[in-house]
Amino acid sequence: QQQVKQSPQSLIVQKGGISIINCAYENTAFDYFPWYQQFPGKGPALLIAIRPDVSEKKEGRFTISFNKSAKQFSLHIMDSQPGDSATYFCAASIMDTGRRALTFGSGTRLQVQP
Amino acid sequence: DARVTQTPRDKVTEMGQEVTMRCQPILGHNTVFWYRQTMMQGLELLAYFRNRAPLDDSGMPKDRFSAEMPDATLATLKIQPSEPRDSAVYFCASGFVSGRYNEQFFGPGTRLTVL
Repeated sequence: QQQVKQSPQSLIVQKGGISIINCAYENTAFDYFPWYQQFPGKGPALLIAIRPDVSEKKEGRFTISFNKSAKQFSLHIMDSQPGDSATYFCAASIMDTGRRALTFGSGTRLQVQP
Repeated sequence: DARVTQTPRDKVTEMGQEVTMRCQPILGHNTVFWYRQTMMQGLELLAYFRNRAPLDDSGMPKDRFSAEMPDATLATLKIQPSEPRDSAVYFCASGFVSGRYNEQFFGPGTRLTVL
């Protein structure tokens, strides 16, 4: 059962444009939603995270929008740069139990063209 | 600059051989995770430890995989015997998981190829 569905699989954006990646989850017990960025040959690195008590979180050019009723959350990258070209993973976990392991989406390969 | 280290970075072995992957978590972190990444399955959890005690290894094929944390500075993942379908990148991640905090820091991974 795929608990976190991510789309699109790949995305091409022009420099300066907005990149949008979407995720939907099924388990209503999830209450922590991070986004990870992965460059080729590297491990994933935490980019930004949100908890469902807020609808939006912004850090620099990166914004998470969260819709609890729709069980969806998205990553917006404003003013996309070629250096943002990477694979992005959404994830979810349950904070109030001992099980904090992340359930990942399938990933989105972002290419920002100069 | 604290970071998770993993060895080896690359491993090529033949089917049936034992493979041991090692991870040194960031000092002070209380939780260690092992994830596997493949094109088909993406990133999936294999096992994790809290304060060196195994909490969940339901993602691991029990007959061939084993994970241990002999001390706070070393986590190991063993595959015996290895099979071609085990070919993947194996990531170790560590974090200080407490309260509202769940940031996990990933190592660079071990790329395993089983021929």
